[in-house]
Amino acid sequence: EAGVAQSPRYKIIEKRQSVAFWCNPISGHATLYWYQQILGQGPKLLIQFQNNGVVDDSQLPKDRFSAERLKGVDSTLKIQPAKLEDSAVYLCASSLVPRLAADTDTQYFGPGTRLTVL
Amino acid sequence: KQEVTQIPAALSVPEGENLVLNCSFTDSAIYNLQWFRQDPGKGLTSLLLIQSSQREQTSGRLNASLDKSSGRSTLYIAASQPGDSATYLCAVRGSARQLTFGSGTQLTVLP
Repeated sequence: EAGVAQSPRYKIIEKRQSVAFWCNPISGHATLYWYQQILGQGPKLLIQFQNNGVVDDSQLPKDRFSAERLKGVDSTLKIQPAKLEDSAVYLCASSLVPRLAADTDTQYFGPGTRLTVL
Repeated sequence: KQEVTQIPAALSVPEGENLVLNCSFTDSAIYNLQWFRQDPGKGLTSLLLIQSSQREQTSGRLNASLDKSSGRSTLYIAASQPGDSATYLCAVRGSARQLTFGSGTQLTVLP
């Protein structure tokens, strides 16, 4: 079974530039998550999709971050414009079961995209 | 707001030693608790998931316990090996159905 794919693996940009990350979840997984992991911290959930609908984006800085999940499969996360504090690893994860039955589901994580904002 | 704390932040042990990693959380109203492993440049791998009604889970040399009332979990690693070197993250699923992560314990097992 192929895992969660993410690209690019690394990205270096200057502040105020724009950047986009791509995620391809495991085939058949209904739920997709984007996390931000700042160095030395645990991952923080940014947004959660079930199929192609947003179910939780309470921690997404909506003034600069946006995300979409086309056709309930691939997803992109965009930052525009980037700030220095956005430097982090952005992790994508997916899980099989719908959110409401999420008590026992396991999330499968991709390798992440390391973003450096100069 | 749920807060998850992991102690110690870093740990270095000689190969073969048994060790315990600690995790504490502030809100005992959780659905489950998971332990993850994170290797440099890689994503997270789920090691063990303990339901709120369970006390412990075991997988090979790993044993995780949960004391929901006191807001604590431990991950016990028996007979540690250099391949166990990684960052171990604890995460709880609470009433908001989100995972809240601790900052992790960076483990180094010396040959």
